[in-house]
Amino acid sequence: SQQGEEDPQALSIQEGENATMNCSYKTSINNLQWYRQNSGRGLVHLILIRSNEREKHSGRLRVTLDTSKKSSSLLITASRAADTASYFCATVLYSGAGSYQLTFGKGTKLSVIP
Amino acid sequence: DTEVTQTPKHLVMGMTNKKSLKCEQHMGHRAMYWYKQKAKKPPELMFVYSYEKLSINESVPSRFSPECPNSSLLNLHLHALQPEDSALYLCASSREGFRPNWVSNYGYTFGSGTRLTVV
Repeated sequence: SQQGEEDPQALSIQEGENATMNCSYKTSINNLQWYRQNSGRGLVHLILIRSNEREKHSGRLRVTLDTSKKSSSLLITASRAADTASYFCATVLYSGAGSYQLTFGKGTKLSVIP
Repeated sequence: DTEVTQTPKHLVMGMTNKKSLKCEQHMGHRAMYWYKQKAKKPPELMFVYSYEKLSINESVPSRFSPECPNSSLLNLHLHALQPEDSALYLCASSREGFRPNWVSNYGYTFGSGTRLTVV
């Protein structure tokens, strides 16, 4: 089952511009994570924000979390052609019997044009 | 070693074949996962092992059989698959296994996947 919904589904920008992707989710979460995937290969973990945090930075990445609105955003500043990839938000949910699962949203396909 | 290694990278199998996918990590991670990803879709969870015990089975058909021989190794045994099972199979690991009142502080490390084609 999917938890997150990314917006937009696809985004095309010029190199040097900022890219903003949004994610909404439905239930209470343990934490929210963002991942990047190039050309249908493995996913790379970018950043994790816990449910009691509101904003986090890592290099050119800025993530915000609004638990009241059940939403998060990922901002990539000064984009580069190498940032071209699909970006997924993922939430950690308690799935019962002491287990947790990481569930992915549908993803945003970012194209950065040189 | 900060990687999750999956073998093989590509696999073509017939519907009557038996094959296995292998996943290995040497980071001391205590939870390991199998995900399935169809083209242009997000990864979908199949199985979770925590401390080498099956923790989650997301109603996966019995033609997929997971195995966790030790804390570093995760296998996915395949038998009598259907063409619709063709997908990218991703293995992942996370530092912590599940425990009461668990709060995750770490992301997951994914392998580069096995692209499976069932003919």
